[in-house]
Amino acid sequence: NAGVMQNPRHLVRRRGQEARLRCSPMKGHSHVYWYRQLPEEGLKFMVYLQKENIIDESGMPKERFSAEFPKEGPSILRIQQVVRGDSAAYFCASSGMNTEAFFGQGTRLTVV
Amino acid sequence: QKEVEQNSGPLSVPEGAIASLNCTYSDRGSQSFFWYRQYSGKSPELIMSIYSNGDKEDGRFTAQLNKASQYVSLLIRDSQPSDSATYLCAVNPQGSSNTGKLIFGQGTTLQVKP
Repeated sequence: NAGVMQNPRHLVRRRGQEARLRCSPMKGHSHVYWYRQLPEEGLKFMVYLQKENIIDESGMPKERFSAEFPKEGPSILRIQQVVRGDSAAYFCASSGMNTEAFFGQGTRLTVV
Repeated sequence: QKEVEQNSGPLSVPEGAIASLNCTYSDRGSQSFFWYRQYSGKSPELIMSIYSNGDKEDGRFTAQLNKASQYVSLLIRDSQPSDSATYLCAVNPQGSSNTGKLIFGQGTTLQVKP
């Protein structure tokens, strides 16, 4: 499968736990973006990364959220001390340089 | 004013009709525009991209862009029940490092009735 791969597809965490969401870009893409879609709301940009670099994190909440895209392995979106308001669908997208972005299947995070 | 605005709908059309979806944006310097389709519980799927004023056709889909009016639209000809979904307008804001950073509208829900 040459598409954007996200895992897990569904993740349940208790309040206060950590959530780690993983994303492998489409083959040939080196640019990764994370988006969040809250229930009944639109998609919101969170962060844009290239290998070992955060390019634009203007949409990231100031606390508890972090992202990385290491030299080897997938991009990781990490949410510390999750709260109920973090329950959402988190989508990863990838692109080449100035090409269209394609989305993965998403991770549905539920905080109980 | 929202950066990208769409009528949330639902827009209901009969099978075989033309569905017209509209979007306005506030950033006059935006250069890249996209339409994504999202089925309920699924991920956004890219349908069309458009970068220049005018029309761009791909099968049953036509995207139209008018930068002077800050308006982009999507026409779906011969609408099918399988086209029933939420259609997301997305704009790459001016000054973005890459085209993957997108501002999305709230989406228009399209219902195609058999």
